[in-house]
Amino acid sequence: AQSVAQPEDQVNVAEGNPLTVKCTYSVSGNPYLFWYVQYPNRGLQFLLKYITGDNLVKGSYGFEAEFNKSQTSFHLKKPSALVSDSALYFCAFGMDTGRRALTFGSGTRLQVQP
Amino acid sequence: DTGVSQDPRHKITKRGQNVTFRCDPISEHNRLYWYRQTLGQGPEFLTYFQNEAQLEKSRLLSDRFSAERPKGSFSTLEIQRTEQGDSAMYLCASSPGGDGDTQYFGPGTRLTVL
Repeated sequence: AQSVAQPEDQVNVAEGNPLTVKCTYSVSGNPYLFWYVQYPNRGLQFLLKYITGDNLVKGSYGFEAEFNKSQTSFHLKKPSALVSDSALYFCAFGMDTGRRALTFGSGTRLQVQP
Repeated sequence: DTGVSQDPRHKITKRGQNVTFRCDPISEHNRLYWYRQTLGQGPEFLTYFQNEAQLEKSRLLSDRFSAERPKGSFSTLEIQRTEQGDSAMYLCASSPGGDGDTQYFGPGTRLTVL
């Protein structure tokens, strides 16, 4: 079955330090890859996506992600974490074969300590 | 661009009752999606509309669930004879169309079945 995995339930980082939230995928074909963030009792907010082209994708709020086809990964990164980045982060994939549903990972909770 | 809106934000019902949720997508978005999210999990796809046509349905969408988008604008999701297992956050998203288009999510409707 095609899937996306977020191996860490929680990531803790100190404010000002770089952060990485990991995502790997197991998909045949050419996936589109997305990162969303969810704050408490809120819907999901789009951060960035990879469709094709440059493997380094820049998104909202200073986040970026690198598509690595050989390692089937799409890790989310930020050079300097803020306390306000503390939230639940979801990786997801869609396909170019006509199916429009997104398949989400189980989420990673990011805690940024002041 | 006022974003995706959902109504109600919270619904508490007794087992066996019917409930209906409404989603208003971003104007001019012709694609609309419903997802369900349970605590600690990523959203799971339920169904997808292109304009008024329902083009994809997940196996999660049992025969107690029905969704409509009668004029290709707002959509409703009805759950008949609710069960405690239906308790979840129901998320609606819309997208403008095209390969790899971004899905923008509403704030969700939290359903609690007693």
